[in-house]
Amino acid sequence: ILNVEQSPQSLHVQEGDSTNFTCSFPSSNFYALHWYRWETAKSPEALFVMTLNGDEKKKGRISATLNTKEGYSYLYIKGSQPEDSATYLCAPNLSGGYQKVTFGTGTKLQVIP
Amino acid sequence: DTGVSQDPRHKITKRGQNVTFRCDPISEHNRLYWYRQTLGQGPEFLTYFQNEAQLEKSRLLSDRFSAERPKGSFSTLEIQRTEQGDSAMYLCASSPPQETQYFGPGTRLLVL
Repeated sequence: ILNVEQSPQSLHVQEGDSTNFTCSFPSSNFYALHWYRWETAKSPEALFVMTLNGDEKKKGRISATLNTKEGYSYLYIKGSQPEDSATYLCAPNLSGGYQKVTFGTGTKLQVIP
Repeated sequence: DTGVSQDPRHKITKRGQNVTFRCDPISEHNRLYWYRQTLGQGPEFLTYFQNEAQLEKSRLLSDRFSAERPKGSFSTLEIQRTEQGDSAMYLCASSPPQETQYFGPGTRLLVL
């Protein structure tokens, strides 16, 4: 069983606050890690894909880091806005390639105006 | 819209009935994936295709489930003799080789 864990499960923050989530995964057979944002009634949207230890990616106010040796990734949101409210899913490829991904349970973020 | 599309978006059925879902991937993507998400869980892998070949199936995909991609374009997922435990969101994704998967909006199934 490949355990991908995300914490916290849910989070409520005030508009303007910065926040971060954690994704931990088994480091063996790691190939890549994807972060997705999933808003209610929409398709999951790809945010980042990272492959190398120490990778950092940024998209606007959202950034992510990767540590493949210890098996974790952080997602940061700076100055949260109501439109950031969504479930954030991490999904590593743990099969040695870009085949299936194994999703975590997600972090549900609610940004309160 | 050139994204991944799924049809229907919602399906309510009675236990024991058969249901079929369709996924239309992004046209140039040769890989197509099916996932299932139940309440409180992340999406779980069911199966994937490269062109028309089904390359991997999860143990979650019981004998009542079958997926096809006959011409390497759209795919169908059929569930026979549905059970209440089949109630879930069924997600389809597509990708080029060795790249990120792009997801459709899902089909939400409720089995009464």
